[in-house]
Amino acid sequence: ETGVTQTPRHLVMGMTNKKSLKCEQHLGHNAMYWYKQSAKKPLELMFVYNFKEQTENNSVPSRFSPECPNSSHLFLHLHTLQPEDSALYLCASSRTGGDYNEQFFGPGTRLTVL
Amino acid sequence: KNEVEQSPQNLTAQEGEFITINCSYSVGISALHWLQQHPGGGIVSLFMLSSGKKKHGRLIATINIQEKHSSLHITASHPRDSAVYICAVMNYGGSQGNLIFGKGTKLSVKP
Repeated sequence: ETGVTQTPRHLVMGMTNKKSLKCEQHLGHNAMYWYKQSAKKPLELMFVYNFKEQTENNSVPSRFSPECPNSSHLFLHLHTLQPEDSALYLCASSRTGGDYNEQFFGPGTRLTVL
Repeated sequence: KNEVEQSPQNLTAQEGEFITINCSYSVGISALHWLQQHPGGGIVSLFMLSSGKKKHGRLIATINIQEKHSSLHITASHPRDSAVYICAVMNYGGSQGNLIFGKGTKLSVKP
């Protein structure tokens, strides 16, 4: 148990569906992250939020829309996805400030796009 | 060439063996992460280090900043150690959260 939870753990959706992934952290952190992990590829950073403000968007297509209503919650809204978007989506959180702050990861959401 | 290279990609060991996983990187870093990912997908942070050596139970992580190399050692390996081990570096001067990940080393420990 890392203190970061994600729901749902598994999601199957069609290309025309709209769904949302949820992440919640109970660690008092101020930064939250979305990562994508595709088969045979390293984790890829998608978005970073610091104190609810988006500070990083790693050239992610607009069919992925993040939302961070407060420092404890992070959402990833999905619409008109493609089959190649099927992957494991991981959320992480960390403190801010200092040279580097250790990131704590959630269990991930396994997404399949049909 | 990836900025973070791990070796080996796959490793099979017998229970009790001493295991070493290597990570080499080509950028200046402020810190290096060793992460463990079990088949279910969740990732657990094992170590974060920027110099020297850290030990936690049967796990030991070392880093040589001059050689841009880190190793993760597992002593007295056990089947429950079977997982993917991922090395990630924070690029020195990089933006918040911008870890660079290796592709991972898949470890399988046989009883």
